[in-house]
Amino acid sequence: AQSVTQLGSHVSVSEGALVLLRCNYSSSVPPYLFWYVQYPNQGLQLLLKYTTGATLVKGINGFEAEFKKSETSFHLTKPSAHMSDAAEYFCAVSDLGLTGGGNKLTFGTGTQLKVEL
Amino acid sequence: DAGVTQSPTHLIKTRGQHVTLRCSPISGHKSVSWYQQVLGQGPQFIFQYYEKEERGRGNFPDRFSARQFPNYSSELNVNALLLGDSALYLCASSLLGGRGQVNQPQHFGDGTRLSIL
Repeated sequence: AQSVTQLGSHVSVSEGALVLLRCNYSSSVPPYLFWYVQYPNQGLQLLLKYTTGATLVKGINGFEAEFKKSETSFHLTKPSAHMSDAAEYFCAVSDLGLTGGGNKLTFGTGTQLKVEL
Repeated sequence: DAGVTQSPTHLIKTRGQHVTLRCSPISGHKSVSWYQQVLGQGPQFIFQYYEKEERGRGNFPDRFSARQFPNYSSELNVNALLLGDSALYLCASSLLGGRGQVNQPQHFGDGTRLSIL
């Protein structure tokens, strides 16, 4: 079974400050990891993904995440927050399908990011 | 190109009724997945279909069913609606959803907001 834990249901930062959203995963098979963003009344938009290869992954809108196997973490960062970054962020892990369950996504409970002036 | 489209956008039903939600994937995508997102939580996997066959099922009761059509569009059906079924229902499509093809990201629609009175 796979699971994701997002520490901090709400994070508040000042505009221009560093954004750090935490994600830890549990997986019995090599994980494929994703970050999605959800704006109000919208679906989920893919920010970035880790599959194989480079452990530092760059995504859209200046976000990046680093896969650390030893820490079972995949934290999301952005050097300088912008007001438009205010949204809910979800970390997700993918099932490889080896257990017969297709390639479903298992999501964390989300982190609401607030950006203040 | 059009993204994943879902209809209707909003729906109000009463307990005991039946509902059908519809999803059209991105052109060329053969895999469709359904997720339920209850307010304040991350999306929960319901079903995945690939090439019209069910490839995964989440921990949902038999009141939930789905199917995929030859044009790869999909329907999610929920019978005997309960108050707890009130949620945002998200559809996602991906280019490949076969066994082991997990490094293809899922693209989400804006969802159907279902309210049960």
